[in-house]
Amino acid sequence: NAGVTQTPKFQVLKTGQSMTLQCAQDMNHNSMYWYRQDPGMGLRLIYYSASEGTTDKGEVPNGYNVSRLNKREFSLRLESAAPSQTSVYFCASIRQGLAGELFFGEGSRLTVL
Amino acid sequence: AQSVTQLGSHVSVSEGALVLLRCNYSSSVPPYLFWYVQYPNQGLQLLLKYTSAATLVKGINGFEAEFKKSETSFHLTKPSAHMSDAAEYFCAVRPTGTASKLTFGTGTRLQVTL
Repeated sequence: NAGVTQTPKFQVLKTGQSMTLQCAQDMNHNSMYWYRQDPGMGLRLIYYSASEGTTDKGEVPNGYNVSRLNKREFSLRLESAAPSQTSVYFCASIRQGLAGELFFGEGSRLTVL
Repeated sequence: AQSVTQLGSHVSVSEGALVLLRCNYSSSVPPYLFWYVQYPNQGLQLLLKYTSAATLVKGINGFEAEFKKSETSFHLTKPSAHMSDAAEYFCAVRPTGTASKLTFGTGTRLQVTL
């Protein structure tokens, strides 16, 4: 199984450009998440989707939008990129059950100049 | 609301020495607790989790953690460090009763020296 797959793995943008990070999971998980990781700040939740058709804001949603396209796919869009959005982005999905753990993709490293 | 505090952003131990990474949590309801490890340029993978069964939890690669309610702690230990344990470790908390809102600590980078 591929698990959680993110694309692209690396991207360089100029300020004001837009882009979409793609995420797909093949584990039939209901819930999916987008986190950003910055040095010294751990992982912070941007948006999550508890189930197909629903999305909710996390801790740091400003400047981002998401789409839960179907059960497998959850995309993150930056409409007008800013240098403060330079980060490593992780998609994750959760195994069934309240005690389920997150399964992570390998990350997407985004640099905004 | 829940939160996690990891004491020490960097910990250095000698190969063969005890590893102790500290995690204290705050949660308004009984929590689920997790430890994740991140190797360079990779995603996070689960080391172990506490789900209110046994208070001493054993994970992969010889790691274990003990849930202490009175101290609101979930420290990660390994009796003997190996060079391959060098990585960043994250503690995370989620209240029981919800599948969302997993909150991570800021991480501890473990260095293992010869």
